[in-house]
Amino acid sequence: QLQLQESGPGLVKPSETLSLTCTVSGDSITNNFYYWAWVRQPPGKGLEWIGSIHYTGRSYFDPSLRSRVTLSVDTSKNQFSLKLRSVTAADTAVYYCTRETESSSYWSWGQGTLVTVSS
Amino acid sequence: QSALTQPRSVSGSPGQSVTISCTGTSSDVGVSNYVSWYQHHPGKAPKLMVYDVSKRPSGVPDRFSGSKSGNTASLTISGLQAEDEADYYCCSHAGSFYVFGTGTKVTVL
Repeated sequence: QLQLQESGPGLVKPSETLSLTCTVSGDSITNNFYYWAWVRQPPGKGLEWIGSIHYTGRSYFDPSLRSRVTLSVDTSKNQFSLKLRSVTAADTAVYYCTRETESSSYWSWGQGTLVTVSS
Repeated sequence: QSALTQPRSVSGSPGQSVTISCTGTSSDVGVSNYVSWYQHHPGKAPKLMVYDVSKRPSGVPDRFSGSKSGNTASLTISGLQAEDEADYYCCSHAGSFYVFGTGTKVTVL
């Protein structure tokens, strides 16, 4: 059974870089059928799609975040990662990692991790 | 890219039906066969309820059904039950990225 687990600092200072890693178990991150994605939910707000990456490195981003986001894959550790640069309080959110299927839907999710941007 | 528009809240009594709309544009919902719906209880991971506009994953009750007309997708919950009370989000492919809806809180009276 597929499991995803987010990890990373829960507190990031403004203007710094938010870094999160998602560890995948129960499937290989090199499975050609899937992309691996990040979704966030700011407090009191809705879900926001951040971006997704294939193990080959092909990636897609929300246009509003594209300039600040880097996604990467570590096949040796079966992990994928998110880096969000120049964060502000508006980037405070619960961040979820998830697997994107061929039907462009998200069947399996991590439990989410709260990242707070504050000095 | 703007979020897809959903009603802020809908409510119904147990056994009734409710429908949640998800309005986008001709750049996303209107041209996408990849509209999905998620149930989200606070503090938990979202759960896929419908994908490819109207397909249900195994294990999702057939009380949940999806459809689409033009730029608007819909999720209908028939025979509303107490455990259906949650937030619901639509999501659509939009060319080279994805966009979620604004979210709808479903309340079971």
